[in-house]
Amino acid sequence: DVKVTQSSRYLVKRTGEKVFLECVQDMDHENMFWYRQDPGLGLRLIYFSYDVKMKEKGDIPEGYSVSREKKERFSLILESASTNQTSMYLCASSSLTTGSYQETQYFGPGTRLLVL
Amino acid sequence: GNSVTQMEGPVTLSEEAFLTINCTYTATGYPSLFWYVQYPGEGLQLLLKATKADDKGSNKGFEATYRKETTSFHLEKGSVQVSDSAVYFCALGSSGDKLTFGTGTRLAVRP
Repeated sequence: DVKVTQSSRYLVKRTGEKVFLECVQDMDHENMFWYRQDPGLGLRLIYFSYDVKMKEKGDIPEGYSVSREKKERFSLILESASTNQTSMYLCASSSLTTGSYQETQYFGPGTRLLVL
Repeated sequence: GNSVTQMEGPVTLSEEAFLTINCTYTATGYPSLFWYVQYPGEGLQLLLKATKADDKGSNKGFEATYRKETTSFHLEKGSVQVSDSAVYFCALGSSGDKLTFGTGTRLAVRP
């Protein structure tokens, strides 16, 4: 059974703080993704990674950075948290199939972040 | 660019009613199509998928058919249960294994 875990279910931070959200998957997946989920907007891709130390910007990367030092771990970093980054953050992973769009993404339970 | 449009919710039904959640898409090439479900307090999980035109995905009594001519992938279930209450997301698989999601449709099923 694929398992994607996220370090916290709920997090409260203050404006200007540096925030780390951690994601770990146990299926040796190459691909990992960070999304944010907001009411009425669905899921929006922040960053993704195809391999260790590789990262690609998604649709809304501003204000975020990521780190992938090990294959199983993908971290999302808010360098200086702002109130408009209050959201649900979802991590996902999938296996790499060259030229295919068919691979299922497996999601973690999410981290609900509140920035005061 | 790619986009997914799904019907706004919430959808409220009585138990055993018929469910349809509409989803249409815009894409270049030949995407795969997915329905994901998010139960309260959980992350998303795959419900079903279809990888080419006229394919039908099915799971747990839910079905969706990939209709290229109408660019649609509507989700249906013949008889919903209270346990089906959740948020349903239609998604399109694009290049690089990225997914483009719709905004989600909340389903509430009354006993």
